[in-house]
Amino acid sequence: GNSVTQMQGQVTLSEEEFLFINCTYSTTGYPTLFWYVQYPGEGPQLLLKVTTANNKGSSRGFEATYDKGTTSFHLQKASVQESDSAVYYCVLGDGGNYQLIWGSGTKLIIKP
Amino acid sequence: DTTVKQNPRYKLARVGKPVNLICSQTMNHDTMYWYQKKPNQAPKLLLFYYDKILNREADTFEKFQSSRPNNSFCSLYIGSAGLEYSAMYLCASSTTYSGNTLYFGEGSRLIVV
Repeated sequence: GNSVTQMQGQVTLSEEEFLFINCTYSTTGYPTLFWYVQYPGEGPQLLLKVTTANNKGSSRGFEATYDKGTTSFHLQKASVQESDSAVYYCVLGDGGNYQLIWGSGTKLIIKP
Repeated sequence: DTTVKQNPRYKLARVGKPVNLICSQTMNHDTMYWYQKKPNQAPKLLLFYYDKILNREADTFEKFQSSRPNNSFCSLYIGSAGLEYSAMYLCASSTTYSGNTLYFGEGSRLIVV
């Protein structure tokens, strides 16, 4: 069945460092891939999404590339800020609005 | 306005007592969802309404009920709360034309004692 794996439970960086959050997925279809971000005290919100049509998404300085060969959808940002502290979820959508498969989330901590 | 509102934000309930959580959205979205979120776990889909049709996940079928009296409003009902129900409950909405994008509320934190 479909699955999403985020191996990093937590990432700790200093401001202006490079961010890389690993995400791999498994599916037999042609999914849409998302990154959702959840800031403290808030519900998750869409950060970016990518379909098979466009391969790469970017938003607010974050980028993710849909790699069908390695079935990966890693999230990157060149220079993080303290305001980026949040939990980041990699999500796979396949077959309809409700069929979302969520990764376990990666908590990003930025040291001031 | 892409706001989904949830009430109450915090709920303390006794074991065995009922709990009712409320969600509303004014975006005219056709689908509304309820997720359960526990610490260090991914959100877990409990159920969703597409228009007036309720779909419940197989493993939570008997534990949660819901109603959607109109397009804007959706509730989540627990008939008899157990300790294992302590969690954050997230409501979300989407539309067929939003490309699977979910809009979440801030959540309702339920603590069962």
